[in-house]
Amino acid sequence: DAKTTQPPSMDCAEGRAANLPCNHSTISGNEYVYWYRQIHSQGPQYIIHGLKNNETNEMASLIITEDRKSSTLILPHATLRDTAVYYCIVRITGSARQLTFGSGTQLTVLP
Amino acid sequence: DSGVTQTPKHLITATGQRVTLRCSPRSGDLSVYWYQQSLDQGLQFLIQYYNGEERAKGNILERFSAQQFPDLHSELNLSSLELGDSALYFCASSVVGTLDSEQFFGPGTRLTVL
Repeated sequence: DAKTTQPPSMDCAEGRAANLPCNHSTISGNEYVYWYRQIHSQGPQYIIHGLKNNETNEMASLIITEDRKSSTLILPHATLRDTAVYYCIVRITGSARQLTFGSGTQLTVLP
Repeated sequence: DSGVTQTPKHLITATGQRVTLRCSPRSGDLSVYWYQQSLDQGLQFLIQYYNGEERAKGNILERFSAQQFPDLHSELNLSSLELGDSALYFCASSVVGTLDSEQFFGPGTRLTVL
């Protein structure tokens, strides 16, 4: 699986959009970008995933650049409960392979 | 609630002892994964089972073993425990297929070795 690079920490004001970047310059054509988050020692939670088109669900939006070398997870209206470590993971889907977690980004939503 | 259950929530034991952690996957999920999260190593994959068979192995020590039973629940056995085995242990499950391959994580078992 391709390696990812994320900033170690970010702050965001409550109610504002949180934009979390991820670089995955060695991604290959059959690898998807997945985002998970972990709220203080709880089990990681799946957020969203995509291949090359932008994706949106009830939790977030995922923007993937045209060359697929980077992506941005957008939480449109961050709340205090969104404070967590966010992990960007690149992985071949459908193969049921394990997840390889990096260090992630600690997002702190400030009141 | 992810639908994945893990027991016990907390476990405190002494060095040299043996413990068993239990995981029940979401209904219908055939694949179970075990991960370890320690302060200095982050989240690391240990082992995966699919429908009772071992599918993949990660950084799992020889002192650790796992199995998946016919009812699909899984157990992780940790023996000859050392202080460094203190960690959060997560179980995850997934449907194996072309679409739904996201993993759903349980709440974890916090193991403290004294």
